[in-house]
Amino acid sequence: AQTVTQSQPEMSVQEAETVTLSCTYDTSESDYYLFWYKQPPSRQMILVIRQEAYKQQNATENRFSVNFQKAAKSFSLKISDSQLGDAAMYFCAYRRRNTDKLIFGTGTRLQVFP
Amino acid sequence: ETGVTQSPTHLIKTRGQQVTLRCSSQSGHNTVSWYQQALGQGPQFIFQYYREEENGRGNFPPRFSGLQFPNYSSELNVNALELDDSALYLCASSYGTGEQETQYFGPGTRLLVL
Repeated sequence: AQTVTQSQPEMSVQEAETVTLSCTYDTSESDYYLFWYKQPPSRQMILVIRQEAYKQQNATENRFSVNFQKAAKSFSLKISDSQLGDAAMYFCAYRRRNTDKLIFGTGTRLQVFP
Repeated sequence: ETGVTQSPTHLIKTRGQQVTLRCSSQSGHNTVSWYQQALGQGPQFIFQYYREEENGRGNFPPRFSGLQFPNYSSELNVNALELDDSALYLCASSYGTGEQETQYFGPGTRLLVL
């Protein structure tokens, strides 16, 4: 069975600084997708970034980028120039190809200090 | 905003009762998935509906059931409520099934079972 592990329950960062959130996963599949979702206090889960496993290039979305290490089954999220609005729970998620079922980690709470 | 709404936002029930939670998807989104998010945990996949048919189920008992309607709305029904059913219930919709589709989450319904 596939699993997703987020080993950092909480992280904090100063405004304008950079922070990296860690995620590891376990799967025997070779074709899958990885996601980072943000869940602010409003509870609405928002997609931050996605990575296709077959792509070697790391995904980037503005201030958000990932470090995808397929052999190590590692998928970390880097947030540059952190803003107060980045404060939220961040969930790493896995989805096997040809399914819509997302498997989530337990989340990392990110605090951003002015 | 993701264009996905859920009602009610909060709900309190007692053990043994039945509950219906509702989700309204974006127009054209014919796939809806439901997730249960216990406090301090990541969301767990309950099931998915595609074109009004169940199209995949997670490790949840049959007392969790669903319906999807042609007007892009859906329901999650839970019978014989147990204390452990207390959680945030999220729905996520997408257009079709398939790896290219992004799932858009609603804000969730927080259910408390006493």
